[in-house]
Amino acid sequence: EPEVTQTPSHQVTQMGQEVILRCVPISNHLYFYWYRQILGQKVEFLVSFYNNEISEKSEIFDDQFSVERPDGSNFTLKIRSTKLEDSAMYFCASGTSVVETQYFGPGTRLLVL
Amino acid sequence: GQQLNQSPQSMFIQEGEDVSMNCTSSSIFNTWLWYKQDPGEGPVLLIALYKAGELTSNGRLTAQFGITRKDSFLNISASIPSDVGIYFCAGRLAGGSEKLVFGKGMKLTVNP
Repeated sequence: EPEVTQTPSHQVTQMGQEVILRCVPISNHLYFYWYRQILGQKVEFLVSFYNNEISEKSEIFDDQFSVERPDGSNFTLKIRSTKLEDSAMYFCASGTSVVETQYFGPGTRLLVL
Repeated sequence: GQQLNQSPQSMFIQEGEDVSMNCTSSSIFNTWLWYKQDPGEGPVLLIALYKAGELTSNGRLTAQFGITRKDSFLNISASIPSDVGIYFCAGRLAGGSEKLVFGKGMKLTVNP
């Protein structure tokens, strides 16, 4: 069964450094999402992406964040200058349409020191 | 506003028992999804609901989309040890938003 994959599974970085989290969505999906989950808390929406454009973003997704689909298979989340509070699990998700189910990847655990 | 109130927050049950959990909101939703999350993993879809009043089963799991479109419940029957994990409800708000709004989760412990 097709799955969303994410790399790396874990990343440790110094405050102020840039990080890029990578995702390979399910191949026939057109809608892509990033969510994050701070330890012990609920999953929070960051951004949705369709047709090479951001279609919706939350107040968390400020100017330090950006997303890109650099080729036909990868979907990336970049954090330009990481802060301590960016430490969280970051989940990529994808779906076939805006009203259908979103399938989640296994996540990248980001630790900012 | 867009909060989902999920209850209970945790349950400790014996193997073989049934368990129920629900999510409520003051907002109207077009979609309800139930996910299970194991430690260090991503949410795994259990059941998806798209219509008010819809009742859907997936093995021992049954979920319903509330008729008011503001709530949903999930039942697990005859629990087994591998049911242990955190169960999240998630909804897509009416009005065209794509994002999923998640509940805080219910941690289930099953004693063999």
